Formats: sequence, structure tokens, C-alpha cells
Amino acid sequence: LAKTTQPISMDSYEGQEVNITCSHNNIATNDYITWYQQFPSQGPRFIIQGYKTKVTNEVASLFIPADRKSSTLSLPRVSLSDTAVYYCLVGDSGTGRRALTFGSGTRLQVQP
Amino acid sequence: ETGVTQTPRHLVMGMTNKKSLKCEQHLGHNAMYWYKQSAKKPLELMFVYNFKEQTENNSVPSRFSPECPNSSHLFLHLHTLQPEDSALYLCASSQPDKKNTEAFFGQGTRLTVV
Repeated sequence: LAKTTQPISMDSYEGQEVNITCSHNNIATNDYITWYQQFPSQGPRFIIQGYKTKVTNEVASLFIPADRKSSTLSLPRVSLSDTAVYYCLVGDSGTGRRALTFGSGTRLQVQP
Repeated sequence: ETGVTQTPRHLVMGMTNKKSLKCEQHLGHNAMYWYKQSAKKPLELMFVYNFKEQTENNSVPSRFSPECPNSSHLFLHLHTLQPEDSALYLCASSQPDKKNTEAFFGQGTRLTVV
């Protein structure tokens, strides 16, 4: 299993851009990088997924350098409702389990 | 609404009770998962089912007994639980034979053992 390392917590203010970096030095060739968001007492929610370079959707952007040993989730202009825990997962979805092993995540606190 | 429904949303049970948690998905997924999340802790993967077969059991005590009668339903049978088993129990589903699948989670069952 590719181990991931993220900051335990981050603080930001409304309207700022937030970048959360995840390290995954042992990422395998078939592995995808997936980010989830979790609010208290709710199940995680898929945010974005990528394999290489840059992926953007209506919620976030995901930057992946050429060596794929890290990735950065970028949240543009955060609001109070973005306060949550963000998880970076690395795995090959074809095997099921590897893609869904969660680490400690990054607790983002957005202040007014 | 994620397409994964868990019932009940809240459950209080005594240590001698027997209860069951239910998870249902109609997303056409063939993999289903049970997670446990204790207060302010990461999600702990408990069980994995692929095409109705259990493929993962992460050293979960036998007082937790999963059942997957078909690809759309997953149960977690509980008996003689301990207070430390109080947690949020989450069910998820995914399509494991797709390369870049995402997982869909239910809202969870908040379990309190008294």
C-alpha cells in the first residue's frame, strides 16, 4: 500500500485559496490519487481524482508533478462551509481495498 | 444524497443486545465496505465485500458479523458489544473493476453502547 503523509491541520480565512499537499513516495504505476472531504458525523465525499498533471472540476483543482510522488489539492476562495477534514488516498481502484484505506487526513479550519 | 442509504441513523444498545445495521445501494456497484470511525479518529476499514464475497477482514472482533446477501445490500450484525465500540459506522460502495472509480459513502449509523 502506498503510504500518504498530509499536514494534520491547516487554518485559513474566507476568500483565500487553500493548498493541501500530500506526499506519496511509494506510489505505484497503476495508482490513482483521490481526495475526499468529510464533515463531522457524515461519510466522506469524493472531491477529485487524478493520475498525472492537472485536473480541475467545479469544486477544486488537483496538481500532480511528473514524478507523482506528491499531489496538491487546491480549493479556490474557501468559505466557512469548507471547514472539514480532507483525505488523500492512493491506490488502484481495481482491487477495491487499496483505494479506500484512509489516513489521518488534514483538518481545515476556515475563519471568517 | 449519495445513493448509499444506511439505517438506522442512530442506535443505542445495551451490551447484551443484538442489533443489525443495514446498508443499501442501487448504484450498480459490486464492492461494499464497512468502516468504523471513533471520535476524532481516522476511518478504520473493517470489512470488504467484492461481488458478495468477503475479501477483507481487518482483525475485527467476532462480535461484529457482516453479511452480504447480494451486491446491493450489506449488513453488520452486532452482539455483546462493549462501550468502546461506540462510534460512527459507515458503509461505502464502489465499482472495483473500473480504473478510476470513486467510492460513495452513506451518512453513517451513530452507535452508542451503554
